[in-house]
Amino acid sequence: DTGVSQNPRHKITKRGQNVTFRCDPISEHNRLYWYRQTLGQGPEFLTYFQNEAQLEKSRLLSDRFSAERPKGSFSTLEIQRTEQGDSAMYLCASSLGEDTVHIQYFGAGTRLSVL
Amino acid sequence: RKEVEQDPGPFNVPEGATVAFNCTYSNSASQSFFWYRQDCRKEPKLLMSVYSSGNEDGRFTAQLNRASQYISLLIRDSKLSDSATYLCVVNNPSGTYKYIFGTGTRLKVLA
Repeated sequence: DTGVSQNPRHKITKRGQNVTFRCDPISEHNRLYWYRQTLGQGPEFLTYFQNEAQLEKSRLLSDRFSAERPKGSFSTLEIQRTEQGDSAMYLCASSLGEDTVHIQYFGAGTRLSVL
Repeated sequence: RKEVEQDPGPFNVPEGATVAFNCTYSNSASQSFFWYRQDCRKEPKLLMSVYSSGNEDGRFTAQLNRASQYISLLIRDSKLSDSATYLCVVNNPSGTYKYIFGTGTRLKVLA
């Protein structure tokens, strides 16, 4: 499968625990995005990487959230001290920098439930 | 005001019907526009890009009106398999090209 891969697909955790999600983008894509989607809403932008550089972070990304893309390939999103309000689908997308239309391709997402 | 606005629906239509969705956006500098389809509890998948000249892909036609800042999607001869949420997406022109999504319009095609 050469699409965007996300792991785990589902995560159930207790409030206060830390969780980490992984995203493997399409191999030649240098742009990587994280979004969060809650029920009945469209996805909302969280953060953006161009290669290994994190170039933009949304105000939605509180201090408890951190994202990395250490070698410009896969990315991780960590949430510390989870809260019930963090329950959502976390989507990763990638795109090719040379694509003038900037189409993004999405992974299947990680569904987080905080109890 | 939301940056991208859509009627959330639901639109319940019989098989074979024609249905149209509209979407408005607020940033006149936006450059790229898309319709994505999202099935329940799945990821968004690109349905089609939207161009000023309009574009058609089989039963689906998309239009962009830059002057009025709206995007439309027309589905002809609806199939049961068209039941999904249709997300209007505008590309933020700031340099990151992050997506700004509407809330999505739910479509249910009835037998």
